[in-house]
Amino acid sequence: SYELTQPPSVSVSPGQTARITCSGDRLPKQYVHWYRVRPGQAPILVIHKDTERPSGIPERFSGSTSGTTVTLTISGVQAEDEADYYCQSADITGLWVFGGGSKLTVL
Amino acid sequence: EVHLVQSEAEVKKPGESLKISCKGSGYNFTTYWIGWVRQKPGKGLEWMGIMYPGDSDIRYSPSFQGQVTISADKSISIAYLQWSGLKASDTATYYCARRSSEGSWLDTWGQGTLVSVSS
Repeated sequence: SYELTQPPSVSVSPGQTARITCSGDRLPKQYVHWYRVRPGQAPILVIHKDTERPSGIPERFSGSTSGTTVTLTISGVQAEDEADYYCQSADITGLWVFGGGSKLTVL
Repeated sequence: EVHLVQSEAEVKKPGESLKISCKGSGYNFTTYWIGWVRQKPGKGLEWMGIMYPGDSDIRYSPSFQGQVTISADKSISIAYLQWSGLKASDTATYYCARRSSEGSWLDTWGQGTLVSVSS
């Protein structure tokens, strides 16, 4: 089955830049979307179509892509950004898949 | 404003059946795909399946095919996820989410329904 690979954890100090990667061999052909999940809360969409930011999401959230890796970048990390982040894409049949999630810790 | 409101938490015993719900409001329920996502305690998100209420087209993740049933009553804008025989391993929070009309992302999520299965 198709898999998206994320680092289990990323740690940064407040004000620094956090980068969370998502790798998969179909990513050059399929968009990736990113969700933030805070403890006890429902997921929310933070980036869609690799690089687009939904309305209401702070500008410090951005996305980029390079080959088989897509990156979620959070610039000027704040304490409120501490959460789990998941990438989502599709396999060759069009069925969806989530990455394993990355826990962002703000030191 | 678009909202998805899910049914309350459930506590069930192994072997029991269950149907949880997700009511959409603020948009045309029949013209957006609704998906279901599982999150086991301390684990990641898992995509279960998705349904188009307009014509009842349903796609299941291979991991969940035959394990759950996705349905909807478009007359009352409610999507359902049901089990005919729960297992302890079904203990999780289940989210419904609306697929964007512009692409394959989930733009609106329900608050989640916690299902606890224990003898």
